Amino acid sequence: GDSVTQMEGPVTLSEEAFLTINCTYTATGYPSLFWYVQYPGEGLQLLLKATKADDKGSNKGFEATYRKETTSFHLEKGSVQVSDSAVYFCALISPPNNNAGNMLTFGGGTRLMVKP
Amino acid sequence: DSGVTQTPKHLITATGQRVTLRCSPRSGDLSVYWYQQSLDQGLQFLIQYYNGEERAKGNILERFSAQQFPDLHSELNLSSLELGDSALYFCASSAKAGWTYEQYFGPGTRLTVT
Repeated sequence: GDSVTQMEGPVTLSEEAFLTINCTYTATGYPSLFWYVQYPGEGLQLLLKATKADDKGSNKGFEATYRKETTSFHLEKGSVQVSDSAVYFCALISPPNNNAGNMLTFGGGTRLMVKP
Repeated sequence: DSGVTQTPKHLITATGQRVTLRCSPRSGDLSVYWYQQSLDQGLQFLIQYYNGEERAKGNILERFSAQQFPDLHSELNLSSLELGDSALYFCASSAKAGWTYEQYFGPGTRLTVT
């Protein structure tokens, strides 16, 4: 079945440092890929997405590129802020198969802590 | 604010009881999803509805059931509750049922079973 693997956290960085959170996936066909962010005490917010190979999703300074050859979708940001402290989830939706639904399959989440 | 609303925000109940969680999707969205977030299982898909009909089932226990009403709001019913059912329950919605459509999440209902 489908699966998503993320680097384990927590990731602790100083403000203005470069961020990379690794994400790799296993899926049949060419899934759509997503990054969600969960701030403390809140629900999940869609951060960015990519729906085909070599697509780059970007939002709020975060970027991730859909790499089919390495089945990866790593999240990057050039300069993190304290306000970026949150848990980040990589997720995928596989193309429909036999009328199956389009549910999200999530990775385990990576907690990011940014210190001033 | 995603536009997805969930009530109640918090729910504390005893083992063996039954509760109902409610979700209103974003205006115009036809598909509703339920997910469970727990410390040991992470985020897991429970069930999906599309325009009133069940579309897909995930790791949903037989004690749990859901439905989507004609006005497109959805309810998740949890019965014979056990301590292990304590979790955050999220509802999400998307415009249609397809793998390129973004899912927007509500703020969640935190269920505590004592």
